[in-house]
Amino acid sequence: DTGVSQDPRHKITKRGQNVTFRCDPISEHNRLYWYRQTLGQGPEFLTYFQNEAQLEKSRLLSDRFSAERPKGSFSTLEIQRTEQGDSAMYLCASSLGGAPMSEAFFGQGTRLTVV
Amino acid sequence: AQKITQTQPGMFVQEKEAVTLDCTYDTSDPSYGLFWYKQPSSGEMIFLIYQGSYDQQNATEGRYSLNFQKARKSANLVISASQLGDSAMYFCAMREAYSGAGSYQLTFGKGTKLSVIP
Repeated sequence: DTGVSQDPRHKITKRGQNVTFRCDPISEHNRLYWYRQTLGQGPEFLTYFQNEAQLEKSRLLSDRFSAERPKGSFSTLEIQRTEQGDSAMYLCASSLGGAPMSEAFFGQGTRLTVV
Repeated sequence: AQKITQTQPGMFVQEKEAVTLDCTYDTSDPSYGLFWYKQPSSGEMIFLIYQGSYDQQNATEGRYSLNFQKARKSANLVISASQLGDSAMYFCAMREAYSGAGSYQLTFGKGTKLSVIP
């Protein structure tokens, strides 16, 4: 296991289309996070899973966004009816439970461009 | 109010010199953690160093050290003996132990772009 893996790395889509991203966390990590990073900004929290349970969603996560983590392993983030404002880097991270301050390890992100 | 403030959009440093990247934070939580991440142009966020609010000593990890001044609410990153490969964006982040739902989410600053000059 070499770390957090995200697929695809890049995605170009037309406005109005649906897109789905996948994240494979480090295998023993039970916590998984999604962040969004726009140009010139730091990452912003979107949502958090502990095992398969989605425990928190940011206000940034509109109704067009949905995230799942079936069986507590990989996670998917779907954006429906994409808008140009959805263009960003989508980062996934995972961490090991039990230690509140354990560091989160990030994947290389999926860069979404909506044209 | 911004929870994490990084006032230096860009910094230059000569190779082999030391550089300090500033970070101030705002929280009313007594228990929190401060993190620094490096983001090269490839996009991956690389964890560098962590400081807990109750830690008595400043954290160090190889060439990275964290100058933690709790009363001033600052957590500056010091990189010693800069290398060309240190050129990247650097982000300061905070996790508050009692933030809603125990989510352990990180709040990031806007980052500082470090350029190492040969």
